[in-house]
Amino acid sequence: RKEVEQDPGPFNVPEGATVAFNCTYSNSASQSFFWYRQDCRKEPKLLMSVYSSGNEDGRFTAQLNRASQYISLLIRDSKLSDSATYLCVVGFFSGGYNKLIFGAGTRLAVHP
Amino acid sequence: DTEVTQTPKHLVMGMTNKKSLKCEQHMGHRAMYWYKQKAKKPPELMFVYSYEKLSINESVPSRFSPECPNSSLLNLHLHALQPEDSALYLCASSQDPSPGPYGYTFGSGTRLTVV
Repeated sequence: RKEVEQDPGPFNVPEGATVAFNCTYSNSASQSFFWYRQDCRKEPKLLMSVYSSGNEDGRFTAQLNRASQYISLLIRDSKLSDSATYLCVVGFFSGGYNKLIFGAGTRLAVHP
Repeated sequence: DTEVTQTPKHLVMGMTNKKSLKCEQHMGHRAMYWYKQKAKKPPELMFVYSYEKLSINESVPSRFSPECPNSSLLNLHLHALQPEDSALYLCASSQDPSPGPYGYTFGSGTRLTVV
């Protein structure tokens, strides 16, 4: 079983749509959770951290369910510029260091 | 300065060449990382430096040799690479090695082609 699993997509949605991505992780000792965005041939960029209480940043809402080991990202009012690959990232602390494990990513294509 | 700078951006090398990738950050981050990313795959951790000491080597072949000369610099020395080592090599840094809400800051990467 992969440590971090995501639906690879692609999700093809029209502008203005609401789209949701899901992610599950296998290590119950995981302590930090993130969504990163990666554009084609570019580096990953931090979109948002994810907290148990849920958090929102503009059109983006992230949720974490530790009991189910499940993370979600909701994008409202999709823009063309949201087209990218969204990486679910999980961190755990072991032996004095923080290790981030990346999911394979979910590709989003927003069309006019 | 909130950037991680990697050089070169592109590198083509032969299997007998020796080259180095460089990474620099001036954010005072005390942990630095090398990741390798193949096309359509997620980044895979190679090495972790914590307070300038090598903390993790994820069973990376010895043809990849990391070096951390100081807290701002991280190098990856390459020797006798294989064509399957062609990938995007990403450097990242974080404030410290313990988990926190800030994740890693990535450099723009070096796209390496081994011929």
